[in-house]
This record gives sequence, C-alpha cells and structure tokens, in this order.
Amino acid sequence: SQTIHQWPATLVQPVGSPLSLECTVEGTSNPNLYWYRQAAGRGLQLLFYSVGIGQISSEVPQNLSASRPQDRQFILSSKKLLLSDSGFYLCAWSVFSGGFYEQYFGPGTRLTVT
Amino acid sequence: SQQGEEDPQALSIQEGENATMNCSYKTSINNLQWYRQNSGRGLVHLILIRSNEREKHSGRLRVTLDTSKKSSSLLITASRAADTASYFCATDARGSSNTGKLIFGQGTTLQVKP
Repeated sequence: SQTIHQWPATLVQPVGSPLSLECTVEGTSNPNLYWYRQAAGRGLQLLFYSVGIGQISSEVPQNLSASRPQDRQFILSSKKLLLSDSGFYLCAWSVFSGGFYEQYFGPGTRLTVT
Repeated sequence: SQQGEEDPQALSIQEGENATMNCSYKTSINNLQWYRQNSGRGLVHLILIRSNEREKHSGRLRVTLDTSKKSSSLLITASRAADTASYFCATDARGSSNTGKLIFGQGTTLQVKP
C-alpha cells in the first residue's frame, strides 16, 4: 500500500532563517507530487507541482522553492523565511487511475515564523 | 486562483440531522471531488463525480453535480459527531493534462453536536 511521509510535524523558525521540509512517498512509482499551503481556516493554495524528477512548476511567485531530487522525494525550501510564510504545509501525490487523478495527502507541517 | 467556492462557510447541526454543503466552480471540468479534513490533519478523499454523472452515493454521502449551473452539493445523512471536520470540493480543469492539478475551494466547516 502507498504511504506518504512529511516531516517535521511542527516547526518554529525565526524570520530570516532557512527552511527545508521533506516529503516522501512509498509504494508507488512516478507519482505527481504537490506542495500546498493552507492559512488558518482557509482553503488550500497550490504552491508547486512536479510530474517527474527535476521537473518543478511554480503556481505562485513567492519566497519558496521546491526540488525533486528523487522519484518519490519532494522538498520545499526557503533561503530566508518571512512572517508571511507561516501556515500549514501539505504534501500530496497522485497517479492517473480509473480515468482520473485522486490526491493523497500527508499529515502536514505546521510552520510558525516568529 | 480558487475555482471552487463552498457555502456555507460554517455549519452547525445536531447529531442525526442531515448536512448539506454546496460548491460552485467557474470553468469546465472533467470531474469534481470532495475531500474531508479533520482539524490539523491532511485531507482525505471522500467521493468523486464525473462530469457526465448527475448523482452519486457512497454510504451516508450523496453528491450531485449540475454542470449547467457549475455547482455540486454534498449531503451527509444521519450525521454523527465524528463527521465534524472541514469539507472541500476540488475540480480538475479541462486541459490540466497529465499534471493532476486540483483546484480546491475554501471549504465548509461542519460541527456536529452530540
């Protein structure tokens, strides 16, 4: 069965510090991968998606970047965090099956920038 | 930009009552999906309805789709306290090809009181 891991679960970082969030998927090959951010009480904002190793598409201009060094590894990074980067970050994966894409989400990382 | 818009934003009902949530979207779709999110957790897929379907059932869930009005509704019958969560609709826009991108609405927060 497939599993998606995200870590850390919570993170408190000072403004100006770097960031690295990691997401790994097990039990599937060549998945599409996604990073979302969710503000408190709001919907999901798609930040990045990837359809293959080294292929990253950015949905919104921002202070963050993403990389996919391996097929089932997706990393979200920042060189210098801003207060506005606080939020709940979710990683998800999907594959095409049965005529559609269904997304499977990780447990999320709660980031607080102080 | 967010395509799906749910209403109401928040809903509070008594256990045993039915809960109805609505979702509107803007562009043509291949399918519409509903997801559930417990507080502080990742999203879980509930049900998918294709653009050529009008109604679908899964256990206590009933989803309808009206493509002429670009709207969908999720009905949870005989609600339980454990149904307390946020519910999101998500659409995959035509032309999203192999990316599997979904556009999520802002969500409806459902509270079921025991």
